[in-house]
Amino acid sequence: KQEVTQIPAALSVPEGENLVLNCSFTDSAIYNLQWFRQDPGKGLTSLLLIQSSQREQTSGRLNASLDKSSGRSTLYIAASQPGDSATYLCAVNTGKDAGNMLTFGGGTRLMVKP
Amino acid sequence: GAVVSQHPSRVICKSGTSVKIECRSLDFQATTMFWYRQFPKQSLMLMATSNEGSKATYEQGVEKDKFLINHASLTLSTLTVTSAHPEDSSFYICSARGGGPRSYEKLFFGSGTQLSVL
Repeated sequence: KQEVTQIPAALSVPEGENLVLNCSFTDSAIYNLQWFRQDPGKGLTSLLLIQSSQREQTSGRLNASLDKSSGRSTLYIAASQPGDSATYLCAVNTGKDAGNMLTFGGGTRLMVKP
Repeated sequence: GAVVSQHPSRVICKSGTSVKIECRSLDFQATTMFWYRQFPKQSLMLMATSNEGSKATYEQGVEKDKFLINHASLTLSTLTVTSAHPEDSSFYICSARGGGPRSYEKLFFGSGTQLSVL
């Protein structure tokens, strides 16, 4: 059974810091891995999706890496801003079709202080 | 991007009553919708997968008679929590498989429903 762990569970940093969120999974047989942002009352927003054949994806200040063999992914946030405060979830997809084989981590609650 | 609307955002009800949560895909046809549950400080857990026009597939440990899922159209799925009890209090969130190229890769999520059963 796939298990996804995110470390740390909570993180508080001053504005401007670069930070790294970690995600690990137990079964390396995945199709892709996705990082989401969860804001209260606004559901989930997909940030980055990395296919199993890829090693990283970048979008603006975000960079996600994937090491499938070791079962790890990191989300790097550069020059953090107060607006980045949210819960960040990683989810691995062990099925070809999105959704029914998605396993979420417990999330990292990020607080960026002005 | 694709939009999924979920209502209500918050509901408080008495124990024993039933609560219906709606999930609509506003600008695409969602042949498949998923329902998740999230307890405080825990991961989202998939409850069931619903395909338009057919019965939902429930994950192990989820009571199908308690959590009724209807997906009668390509844009609407509903989750009804029947005879709700305090232990059903949780955050429920739906998602729909998006349309367009490589749609199988992406899910779009509703804004969630916080259910509190007194």
